[in-house]
Parts: sequence; structure tokens; C-alpha cells
Amino acid sequence: EAGVTQFPSHSVIEKGQTVTLRCDPISGHDNLYWYRRVMGKEIKFLLHFVKESKQDESGMPNNRFLAERTGGTYSTLKVQPAELEDSGVYFCASSREDRVGGYTFGSGTRLTVV
Amino acid sequence: AQSVTQLGSHVSVSEGALVLLRCNYSSSVPPYLFWYVQYPNQGLQLLLKYTSAATLVKGINGFEAEFKKSETSFHLTKPSAHMRDAAEYFCAVSGGRTSYDKVIFGPGTSLSVIP
Repeated sequence: EAGVTQFPSHSVIEKGQTVTLRCDPISGHDNLYWYRRVMGKEIKFLLHFVKESKQDESGMPNNRFLAERTGGTYSTLKVQPAELEDSGVYFCASSREDRVGGYTFGSGTRLTVV
Repeated sequence: AQSVTQLGSHVSVSEGALVLLRCNYSSSVPPYLFWYVQYPNQGLQLLLKYTSAATLVKGINGFEAEFKKSETSFHLTKPSAHMRDAAEYFCAVSGGRTSYDKVIFGPGTSLSVIP
């Protein structure tokens, strides 16, 4: 089966610009998660979709971040406007409903805000 | 709620020596436990997982981990380190089958392998 796909793999933008990250989960995985790792610190949870619904968005740092999962398939994470502290690696993961198979992570998008 | 601690942010071992990376967790429900590895400039790769079956879990690349409920531990071991094992290792926990809890990561342990 195809894995979790994220793109772009790298993005360099200027402060104040907008960036949209995309995640394509494994087909049939209802759960989709976004995480990020900033400046080599801990991997922090951002939010969790179950199909197209936001199950938990407690980790979203502020209202400059907007996540969507239309149709319960792929998801986008938009940062608008980007700030310097948003730089880091954004990971997406997906899992089956029962999570017995674990969480499969994508390769991440490395975002650099200059 | 779940949390994870990893003892030692950096561990160095000699090639061929035992690898032991420590992980302790706390969970209000029977947990699922995971070890992930991140090689330089790559994504997170699942090494192994515990989902309430056998307490000794074997993973890829010769790694294994043992779930010890009494100690709330899930330490990762490998009998003989290879140079290619140099990477960052993350222990993670989530709620079990009936929980919607997301996976929570530990702070990570960077493993160096000395020739």
C-alpha cells in the first residue's frame, strides 16, 4: 500500500506570506493527524481529523493555522500569515480506526520562514 | 491523559555493543506504545509497536522492546549496534482501542554509534 504522502518536502517563504501544506493519508485511514517539530524540540500534536471532522484541535498554536480535510481524504494545513517561529518540520500521520496498526507518518514538510 | 519520558537525550555506544534506550510512560487507560526512528533528513519510521498482545515486541532492524506494566516502561534494545543505527529515537504512547487519544511523543534520544 502507498504510504502517507506530504508535499512540498521543503518550503522557504518570507515572513507574512502564506503557505499551504498538503497530506495524502493511506487510503481507507479515517484518522489523520498533524504534528510539528520546531527547532529540534519535541514533536508536538497539532490536530486530529476523523474523516472530515476535527476530533481534536487542541494543539493548534493560534488562528494563523487553518486545517481542512474536505471529503475525508487529503488534508491541507495553511499558515497565514507565516511568522519566523513557524519554522520547523510538519509531519502528517494516518491510522486505521482502531489504530492497531499504529500511526504511519509521512516524510514531513520542512518549512523555513525567513 | 498520556505522557512519555525518555531518560537521556543523547546516548553513545560502541559499534557491536548493546543498545538500550529507556522509555517510561503514564497513561490513564491501557496504552498503545510505539518506538519511532528518524534518520537524518528523513521522516519518522515505525520501529515497533505494542498493542496489548505479547509484552515482548520485535521490530525492524533487530530492535525489540518489552512492555512492563508494573514499571510503566517500554525500553528499546538491540544486542549489537551498527553504524547505520545512528539516528534519533522517539518513544510514543496513545490511548488504546477505545480511545480517540492522539499519539504523544517523548522528547527523543539521539543515538551515536562509535566505530
